[in-house]
Amino acid sequence: GQSLEQPSEVTAVEGAIVQINCTYQTSGFYGLSWYQQHDGGAPTFLSYNGLDGLEETGRFSSFLSRSDSYGYLLLQELQMKDSASYFCAVRGDGQNFVFGPGTRLSVLP
Amino acid sequence: DGGITQSPKYLFRKEGQNVTLSCEQNLNHDAMYWYRQDPGQGLRLIYYSQIVNDFQKGDIAEGYSVSREKKESFPLTVTSAQKNPTAFYLCASSPIQGDPEAFFGQGTRLTVV
Repeated sequence: GQSLEQPSEVTAVEGAIVQINCTYQTSGFYGLSWYQQHDGGAPTFLSYNGLDGLEETGRFSSFLSRSDSYGYLLLQELQMKDSASYFCAVRGDGQNFVFGPGTRLSVLP
Repeated sequence: DGGITQSPKYLFRKEGQNVTLSCEQNLNHDAMYWYRQDPGQGLRLIYYSQIVNDFQKGDIAEGYSVSREKKESFPLTVTSAQKNPTAFYLCASSPIQGDPEAFFGQGTRLTVV
């Protein structure tokens, strides 16, 4: 089977940088995606890593180390609107991505 | 505008009744998915469909059924056999099965009383 671990909660202040980690155990590996979900809303895709290294998209970056079965999402210049839950999702040998339990980010003024 | 539409947004049903949740997409995607989300938890896959007239069980399919008669539509029925149906249900689609980017609907919050 597959299992993913994320911190349950992270708190930071506006303007700061925060890192949300994701560790996984899978049979095979085909990629790691990140999603943002505001309370009661739809998850929206943020980033994808298929190979080791850093992917940058504006204020958000995502990193993957396949040898460590580890990835992280980096959010820079935090804004109040970034308060949300963040999910990593991994695809192993199965046909579909499996989602982690999510990390709730609270951005304080 | 292209997207995924789920309806209704809120649904209340009595225990023992079957209920069908609607999901329609106009993104021309082949793959569609249904997820269940419980408070403070991640998304768990109920059913998925790679193509019209085909669907497969996900991790928690017991007590649920689906159909995929049209490319655009993937309705989910929550049957009376589902022991704990109260949850937030999310429908998603992607161009192909296993695509790293899925597009989600706004969800249906089902409450069974």
